[in-house]
Amino acid sequence: QLVLTQSPSASASLGASVKLTCTLSSGHSNYAIAWHQQQPEKGPRYLMKLNSDGSHSKADGIPDRFSGSSSGAERYLTISSLQSEDEADYYCQTWGFGIQVFGGGTKLTVL
Amino acid sequence: QLQLQESGPGLVKPSETLSLTCTVSGGSISSSLYYWGWLRQPPGKGLEWIGTIYYSGSTNYNPSLKSRVTVSVDTSKNQFSLKLRSVTAADTAVYFCAREANIAMTGTGAFDPWGQGTQVTVSS
Repeated sequence: QLVLTQSPSASASLGASVKLTCTLSSGHSNYAIAWHQQQPEKGPRYLMKLNSDGSHSKADGIPDRFSGSSSGAERYLTISSLQSEDEADYYCQTWGFGIQVFGGGTKLTVL
Repeated sequence: QLQLQESGPGLVKPSETLSLTCTVSGGSISSSLYYWGWLRQPPGKGLEWIGTIYYSGSTNYNPSLKSRVTVSVDTSKNQFSLKLRSVTAADTAVYFCAREANIAMTGTGAFDPWGQGTQVTVSS
């Protein structure tokens, strides 16, 4: 079964960096994912597609502070030089065989 | 710039049918590069995919909702719609529509962009 697992929460200080993790279920370590950001009271915004080899393609307008990487079944979203507007929920998404799956989301707090 | 806008009743009675429409502007719903999807987010919870439709009418549904869901498309109006039957309080959520990339044509199945969402409450 295709499942994505995310930690419920993360926190980091203003100006620092944070690395969020999304883990693919067993047998699906070669899947690509997408990262989405949802700021409070807003609809989600697509950030990037992230492949199993760590290559990624960002959506237009996404700052260079956002980057992706991969290791095995884990997919990472790194945000550097944290700003207050980065405080949001971050969701990973994957797809396969006609279905779409989301991780439970990580709530990022900027201290 | 492609935009999606959800519309429909904000209050639905238990056991009735929830009906929403998504209007696409700034692009054609008949593009072979994309599918069109419905998703939802219950209060305080994460995102859940409901179903997806291609301009031809081909659909895919979340297995957990499949028995109650119908997604349809009207290419002449550049719209697609959601019907969710026999609703309960558990169907209370913000409902989003979004464009889904056609993985066979683009190499990705990501949702982008999303509509702003519409709150639907199930209550008598």
